[in-house]
Amino acid sequence: GQQLNQSPQSMFIQEGEDVSMNCTSSSIFNTWLWYKQDPGEGPVLLIALYKAGELTSNGRLTAQFGITRKDSFLNISASIPSDVGIYFCAGRTQGAQKLVFGQGTRLTINP
Amino acid sequence: EPEVTQTPSHQVTQMGQEVILRCVPISNHLYFYWYRQILGQKVEFLVSFYNNEISEKSEIFDDQFSVERPDGSNFTLKIRSTKLEDSAMYFCASSDSNYGYTFGSGTRLTVV
Repeated sequence: GQQLNQSPQSMFIQEGEDVSMNCTSSSIFNTWLWYKQDPGEGPVLLIALYKAGELTSNGRLTAQFGITRKDSFLNISASIPSDVGIYFCAGRTQGAQKLVFGQGTRLTINP
Repeated sequence: EPEVTQTPSHQVTQMGQEVILRCVPISNHLYFYWYRQILGQKVEFLVSFYNNEISEKSEIFDDQFSVERPDGSNFTLKIRSTKLEDSAMYFCASSDSNYGYTFGSGTRLTVV
């Protein structure tokens, strides 16, 4: 089945540092989404990408839809304590309704 | 901001019992979904529902599972005879198109 490989699995950084994480797939996706999940909560949509090559920002977050349509990255600039959580990429193929999720990147920030 | 509401937030049930998880999707959304997340693992698709019928389902969604939209606002997931391995967070989601979803806060199901 379709799989998304997300890396890194975890990150330990200092407050103020920039963060980068990515997802790759052997399949082509037509939509890439990035979600953040806090403990005991559902995933919250951060950024949605719909076109190959698209670069989209949401405040300190920037995400890109890879030109091959098989990858995407998420950058967080100048991290703050509330950025702590698990970040998931998710993709959808043409005509499908389901989202395929990556394994998640757990972000920990040392003040 | 509109929300997807799920109840209960936590359900404990004995193995073999039936459970019904409830969701109220965002009111003008047309597509509804159930996902699950076993503790510490990734979110997995179960089923999508559109125009009063299942439009897609995963291999996890076997005969023990069913979904229903009993009225204009609720969307339910029923597990007929729960197993220990059904213990997970169950997330409902809705969307107004084939684009970004909104997820609920989830129901933690514990089967003992």
